Amino acid sequence: DAGVTQSPTHLIKTRGQQVTLRCSPKSGHDTVSWYQQALGQGPQFIFQYYEEEERQRGNFPDRFSGHQFPNYSSELNVNALLLGDSALYLCASSFRAQPQHFGDGTRLSIL
Amino acid sequence: AQTVTQSQPEMSVQEAETVTLSCTYDTSESDYYLFWYKQPPSRQMILVIRQEAYKQQNATENRFSVNFQKAAKSFSLKISDSQLGDAAMYFCAYNEDSGAGSYQLTFGKGTKLSVIP
Repeated sequence: DAGVTQSPTHLIKTRGQQVTLRCSPKSGHDTVSWYQQALGQGPQFIFQYYEEEERQRGNFPDRFSGHQFPNYSSELNVNALLLGDSALYLCASSFRAQPQHFGDGTRLSIL
Repeated sequence: AQTVTQSQPEMSVQEAETVTLSCTYDTSESDYYLFWYKQPPSRQMILVIRQEAYKQQNATENRFSVNFQKAAKSFSLKISDSQLGDAAMYFCAYNEDSGAGSYQLTFGKGTKLSVIP
């Protein structure tokens, strides 16, 4: 039974570029959440998708956007990258609201 | 806004001994969920244990157990018979009941646990 899978594992971008991160939820899960984890900090909630719609959003600017597909997989897009966007981006899936199961994350480095 | 506080940035324990990690939270809700997640250097956030606020009985999962004190808003994790593989960052997390319209996990800053052979 495959768990939550994220791609890519590591990504290097420069300031001003755009990036897309991908997530496939655990089998049987219908909800996907995205978190940003800065070095040495706990994860911060970006947003959650359910039934292909953004159900809740954390305190992140509009540069962060997402999408959920009919097969429940999801993408996180970040535009106009800033140095401060360097972080580990975690995807979590659940059936309905919780408990949330996490993937290995994508390490995004901005130069 | 809900907050989760982990007051111990780092802890250490001898192999086979017991250690307790502390967590406090702030909420005005009566129905919610609390979690402990483990994050080893491999990065994956692994669910260790979950507690529903309406349940008075403390949750247990093998060597892991919690001490849930709802009135004090305290949620500590006890690891018994510590093993080298328990070394990791441990995060306490809070989730409101979905009926309240909030679905996000709110995390503490974590406690780094070292296990000494």
